[in-house]
Amino acid sequence: EPEVTQTPSHQVTQMGQEVILRCVPISNHLYFYWYRQILGQKVEFLVSFYNNEISEKSEIFDDQFSVERPDGSNFTLKIRSTKLEDSAMYFCASSEALWRLKAFFGQGTRLTVV
Amino acid sequence: AQSVTQLGSHVSVSEGALVLLRCNYSSSVPPYLFWYVQYPNQGLQLLLKYTSAATLVKGINGFEAEFKKSETSFHLTKPSAHMSDAAEYFCAVSVNAGGTSYGKLTFGQGTILTVHP
Repeated sequence: EPEVTQTPSHQVTQMGQEVILRCVPISNHLYFYWYRQILGQKVEFLVSFYNNEISEKSEIFDDQFSVERPDGSNFTLKIRSTKLEDSAMYFCASSEALWRLKAFFGQGTRLTVV
Repeated sequence: AQSVTQLGSHVSVSEGALVLLRCNYSSSVPPYLFWYVQYPNQGLQLLLKYTSAATLVKGINGFEAEFKKSETSFHLTKPSAHMSDAAEYFCAVSVNAGGTSYGKLTFGQGTILTVHP
């Protein structure tokens, strides 16, 4: 079965540094998502992306966050100035079409801010 | 806004025993409901989904779930647990509120299933 791939699997960064989390969605998918899971808490929606623009974002997704699909294959999440509370597992997901109601998730990137 | 509550953060069963993972939802519009499974070091994998057709939904690996509107529940069951079922299970909801919002999932907190020999 095709897979969503995320890199790196684990990233450690210093507070205040910029970090970019990378995802390669499944090639014919059109809808892309980022979710995060802080340790011990629920998986939370961050943002959805379609047709090269954000279609929906949560209140968590503030000006420190941005997403991009720079080359038609990668989908990135950038955090401009990381805070300790950004430490979490970040999941990328993609979907071929909304009506299929099936999202494929990557294995996650564990971000640790020190 | 929609929400999901999973009762029990940890469930432990013996191999061969019934698996029952509980999920209750809250939604002001008819929901779509999902169960995802996460094995160690892997992504979330869709087990099954309810999309307003049959209320009893069969998924992969012998799991099934029943949508009960009167109880606002979508519990996951499997008649006989296998060691390979040990994983974390997430219930999730999405709603068709127009536009692309029904692509967004709202998750429960997850239930870790342990299977003993």
